[in-house]
Amino acid sequence: SQTIHQWPATLVQPVGSPLSLECTVEGTSNPNLYWYRQAAGRGLQLLFYSVGIGQISSEVPQNLSASRPQDRQFILSSKKLLLSDSGFYLCAWSRGGNYGYTFGSGTRLTVV
Amino acid sequence: GESVGLHLPTLSVQEGDNSIINCAYSNSASDYFIWYKQESGKGPQFIIDIRSNMDKRQGQRVTVLLNKTVKHLSLQIAATQPGDSAVYFCAERPDSNYQLIWGAGTKLIIKP
Repeated sequence: SQTIHQWPATLVQPVGSPLSLECTVEGTSNPNLYWYRQAAGRGLQLLFYSVGIGQISSEVPQNLSASRPQDRQFILSSKKLLLSDSGFYLCAWSRGGNYGYTFGSGTRLTVV
Repeated sequence: GESVGLHLPTLSVQEGDNSIINCAYSNSASDYFIWYKQESGKGPQFIIDIRSNMDKRQGQRVTVLLNKTVKHLSLQIAATQPGDSAVYFCAERPDSNYQLIWGAGTKLIIKP
């Protein structure tokens, strides 16, 4: 069966510090991968998606970047965090086509 | 599109009553629809899906109804329980698109 792992669960970082959030998927190959951000009490905002190794599409201009160094690994990064980067970050994978997404457990990022 | 900046609408339901959560979708070309449940501090979880060649699909205590004429999707939860308290998101997938388009979400509160 397929599983998705996302870590860390919570993170408190100072303004201006770097960020690296990692997401890995097991039990499938060539998944579509996604990074979402969710502000408290708000909906889901798509940040990045990837349909293959090294292929990254950005949905919104921002202080963050994403990379996919391996087929089942998706990394969200920042060189210098801003206060506005605080939020709940979710990684997800899908097969594409008429299939839903499976989400990770999320990372609560607080920038102080 | 995604209503990520709006506060979530809230639905309060008495425990034991049926809940109906509504969603208006945006793209008449969408042929696949999904409902997700997100409990506090967790990632969204798949509840039920429906393809556009159907107008109703039932799961365990849940029913999804699709009205393509008015682009409306609803989720019915029978005999609502305290564990149903969560935010519920609808999502649509336009044909030949990799990403889901997410609704704003509805917060379901169960009154004892």
